[in-house]
Amino acid sequence: EVQLVESGGGLVQPGGSLRLSCAASGFTFSSYSMNWVRQAPGKGLEWVSYISSSSSTIYYADSVKGRFTISRDNAKNSLYLQMNSLRDEDTAVYYCARGKLGSYEAFDIWGQGTMVTVSS
Amino acid sequence: EIVLTQSPATLSLSPGERATLSCRASQSVSSYLAWYQQKPGQAPRLLIYDASNRATGIPARFSGSGSGTDFTLTISSLEPEDFAVYYCQQRSNWIFTFGPGTKVDIK
Repeated sequence: EVQLVESGGGLVQPGGSLRLSCAASGFTFSSYSMNWVRQAPGKGLEWVSYISSSSSTIYYADSVKGRFTISRDNAKNSLYLQMNSLRDEDTAVYYCARGKLGSYEAFDIWGQGTMVTVSS
Repeated sequence: EIVLTQSPATLSLSPGERATLSCRASQSVSSYLAWYQQKPGQAPRLLIYDASNRATGIPARFSGSGSGTDFTLTISSLEPEDFAVYYCQQRSNWIFTFGPGTKVDIK
């Protein structure tokens, strides 16, 4: 079964750090680009970051640039998001999502999400 | 940055009715537009990619059309499980953006 499972969420104080992980299974992880997408409580979806299959290309949303770092370990079938200098507005469910092969824009597989709460 | 606008914000319909959802881009996105369905407490699910291609396992009652700046998601006959929030999404160079969503609820 094709699956993505996020972990690492929790409660953190403003200015703190957190590292999210996404474990992939059921497909050849190293062949796919990956993304992080977040959703604040009661709000819509916001793309956070993209990483190509080989890690050669990385993009960030302006809202997280300079604070978040995306990475992957293809040997471990894992995606990561290092989040530093966290702010209240980073509170959200964070999803990892697989880029669909052959599509420029679509994300075809999503994890169940992990909740990050930034609060003092 | 390309901004996506979705209308209406809420669509109240009965099962069996046809749903027509609109997504408009602030500038052309060619055919690089996807549609997702999200139910409460669940992750989004890809319905349509590249404007008009149904994703794997998506029923034929879902269809997408459009190009450039104007796109439509049509659900030909609403099933009870179709009441949800629908998002459009595009990629322009190095930025991905989502629309604000259309909620389809039961009339």
